[in-house]
Amino acid sequence: QLQLQESGPGLVKPSETLSLTCTVSGGSISSSSYYWGWIRQPPGKGLEWIGSIYYSGSTYYNPSLKSRVTISVDTSKNQFSLKLSSVTAADTAVYYCARAKGYDWFDPWGQGTLVTVSS
Amino acid sequence: QSVLTQPPSASGTPGQRVTISCSGSSSNIGSNYVYWYQQLPGTAPKLLIYRNNQRPSGVPDRFSGSKSGTSASLAISGLRSEDEADYYCAAWDDSLSGHVFGTGTKVTVL
Repeated sequence: QLQLQESGPGLVKPSETLSLTCTVSGGSISSSSYYWGWIRQPPGKGLEWIGSIYYSGSTYYNPSLKSRVTISVDTSKNQFSLKLSSVTAADTAVYYCARAKGYDWFDPWGQGTLVTVSS
Repeated sequence: QSVLTQPPSASGTPGQRVTISCSGSSSNIGSNYVYWYQQLPGTAPKLLIYRNNQRPSGVPDRFSGSKSGTSASLAISGLRSEDEADYYCAAWDDSLSGHVFGTGTKVTVL
């Protein structure tokens, strides 16, 4: 079945850029009707959608993060990536990648990866 | 910046029925589908209900969703110990042009 796996540094310094990759296995990232998204969860807090991308490269972002976020896709590697610039301690969170049914639900989700912003 | 409001906690004894509310506005719940996610301790969220009241394959029929106006509810009947988790509602928001999540509800089985 479809599986997603996040990867990237677990520690990022303040003001630097957070970079994560999500590798999709068991299915093609180029499937029609599906977007691919990033969601984060600060420790002990709720979920926040970051942004989503279609295999063609079309993106849409959370307005509150839009100025700092870039999501890209590499169909040859069946991966999509997240870059979040100018990070602060408030960006410390578990970052999840997930498949999105259009503008609908997210399923399945990756296991998540904790990124800590600290000097 | 959760746009959808949920009670922070809910509880019940095994076998009881527990209901979780999710309050939104005309730009999200009022005009779009509602989804529910279950997050067991230390794990990633899992889709529990989609399009207001539909259950994905494998989700027990003890879980049911409903929507009325700008609010939605998740009901868990025949509460079991393995239902102890955080539950989040979600919807598309037309004003934000993005996905929004609820504040989350922690369900405790007494």
